[in-house]
Amino acid sequence: ETGVTQTPRHLVMGMTNKKSLKCEQHLGHNAMYWYKQSAKKPLELMFVYNFKEQTENNSVPSRFSPECPNSSHLFLHLHTLQPEDSALYLCASSGRDRGVYGYTFGSGTRLTVV
Amino acid sequence: DQQVKQNSPSLSVQEGRISILNCDYTNSMFDYFLWYKKYPAEGPTFLISISSIKDKNEDGRFTVFLNKSAKHLSLHIVPSQPGDSAVYFCAASRFSNDYKLSFGAGTTVTVRA
Repeated sequence: ETGVTQTPRHLVMGMTNKKSLKCEQHLGHNAMYWYKQSAKKPLELMFVYNFKEQTENNSVPSRFSPECPNSSHLFLHLHTLQPEDSALYLCASSGRDRGVYGYTFGSGTRLTVV
Repeated sequence: DQQVKQNSPSLSVQEGRISILNCDYTNSMFDYFLWYKKYPAEGPTFLISISSIKDKNEDGRFTVFLNKSAKHLSLHIVPSQPGDSAVYFCAASRFSNDYKLSFGAGTTVTVRA
């Protein structure tokens, strides 16, 4: 357990479904992120929230909709996804721990779109 | 536009020997570099970092070397252990608390017994 918890760990959804990914951190960090990891590719930054405000949307299609109700929780709402959206979706948070700035990742949600 | 590149997708090394992982970057504004380790079904975990004012940082069996003029960094693991088998990601940012990390594609390390 890293302090960043993601649910569900695995998700299979059809292209017409609507689902949500959840991320929760108890580290007191002020920034939270969604990353996408596709096979053999770098981690791609999708969204950044700083003090609950979205500060970055990295040209992500509108079928991905983030929500950050408070500094500890982050959601990624999914609808009408495509098979190429199948990937590992990682949540992370960042902040100072004992004076050192660091990033902490969750274990990810393995998403399969069928 | 991939600003951080790990050109070796995989590396196999004998237990007890040295593992050397390489990373190149193109953005001259980067001045803080990190290595993350990732096991299957887990998120990446922080391993070691280096700022551009240094050319070497050591933490136990792990040493990161930075060559700014060549825009190149490397991670040395000595001695390699079976538990080191994982995917290693290189990442870079403009300063130590910049939220925007740029990641490489990762290198899969397999340590043979």
